[in-house]
Amino acid sequence: AQKVTQAQTEISVVEKEDVTLDCVYETRDTTYYLFWYKQPPSGELVFLIRRNSFDEQNEISGRYSWNFQKSTSSFNFTITASQVVDSAVYFCALSEAEYGNKLVFGAGTILRVKS
Amino acid sequence: NAGVTQTPKFRILKIGQSMTLQCTQDMNHNYMYWYRQDPGMGLKLIYYSVGAGITDKGEVPNGYNVSRSTTEDFPLRLELAAPSQTSVYFCASSFSRDRYNSPLHFGNGTRLTVT
Repeated sequence: AQKVTQAQTEISVVEKEDVTLDCVYETRDTTYYLFWYKQPPSGELVFLIRRNSFDEQNEISGRYSWNFQKSTSSFNFTITASQVVDSAVYFCALSEAEYGNKLVFGAGTILRVKS
Repeated sequence: NAGVTQTPKFRILKIGQSMTLQCTQDMNHNYMYWYRQDPGMGLKLIYYSVGAGITDKGEVPNGYNVSRSTTEDFPLRLELAAPSQTSVYFCASSFSRDRYNSPLHFGNGTRLTVT
């Protein structure tokens, strides 16, 4: 069975601090896909990144970076030099190749960035 | 390009009433999904469709029905509203499952309260 755990319910940081959001997943499939979505206070869901299980390269996009480690079943997300606009709920999600695009979401981490 | 459009944005129902949440997409995606998001929780899959005329249950289908008569539209029907169905409902769409599992595009959500 597939499962995604985001153990951090809420994180508060001061602007310009770096922050890492943890994501641990469980799957029996060898082919799977991991995602991060952002949900700002306005409520919409914004796609941030997709990673397949065959690509363990870390990725950097501006202030965002992702660390994928199959050995620990983790797909952590780091925001460097956080800004108030980063305040949102962040969801990690998993889909298995066998089940197409059906995503299983973690419970989310609320990030509050204070000025 | 409108993407995924959901209507209404908000709705209050009395127990036992019925309603249909509308979802339409203009990206020619053949996969469509309905998720619900309860407070402090991640999203859970209600129903999904891999193409016109084909639907299947997700993790929490009880109390809901769907139909998919066209590629563009994927309405969600609540027949006998219950307080447990108070939630935010998100419709999403994507291209077919492929090697790289394309990301889901979400609508802005429908906030439903059943009292």
